[in-house]
Amino acid sequence: AQSVTQLGSHVSVSEGALVLLRCNYSSSVPPYLFWYVQYPNQGLQLLLKYTTGATLVKGINGFEAEFKKSETSFHLTKPSAHMSDAAEYFCAVATGGGNKLTFGTGTQLKVEL
Amino acid sequence: DTGVSQNPRHKITKRGQNVTFRCDPISEHNRLYWYRQTLGQGPEFLTYFQNEAQLEKSRLLSDRFSAERPKGSFSTLEIQRTEQGDSAMYLCASSHPGTSGSNEQFFGPGTRLTVL
Repeated sequence: AQSVTQLGSHVSVSEGALVLLRCNYSSSVPPYLFWYVQYPNQGLQLLLKYTTGATLVKGINGFEAEFKKSETSFHLTKPSAHMSDAAEYFCAVATGGGNKLTFGTGTQLKVEL
Repeated sequence: DTGVSQNPRHKITKRGQNVTFRCDPISEHNRLYWYRQTLGQGPEFLTYFQNEAQLEKSRLLSDRFSAERPKGSFSTLEIQRTEQGDSAMYLCASSHPGTSGSNEQFFGPGTRLTVL
């Protein structure tokens, strides 16, 4: 069975600083990996995904993530945080045809002036 | 906007009452998923449909829960004899496998259920 661990339930950064949100996964087969963002009282919006091919994946709003099979990691980064990035971020794993997603517990990102 | 829509957005009910939620997926998407999200947690898979067929149900989906997708378009999720532990955000998502096979899921805004 697959699982996802997100280290750090709360991360705080200064505006303009690097954002790093950590995600480690467990999967018995090659995974499909996703990062979603959730703003208060809203559904989830896809930031980026890894399926096959290039291990560095670029997404929306300047975010990117790198799939590292040897470390079973898929950390999310953004070079320069903006106030509008404050939200909750979820890492998720799917296998095979991606019939269902298994999510981590989420990381709340706070951006301070 | 042709995204996934859910109704109602909020539902407050008394313990023991029945509630029904509706999800309208993106029109060409043949897969539809239901997830439940409690406070401070990530969404948890409940069930999914391919067209009108319900292909998988989580153990979280007790016999008080039933989901349907009668014509392969919209879906309903019914909870009978609600309990306070059913209070959560219920999220619907849809997808179309496409050629990539990654089965990217598009989420609706959710229905927040509060059971008093």
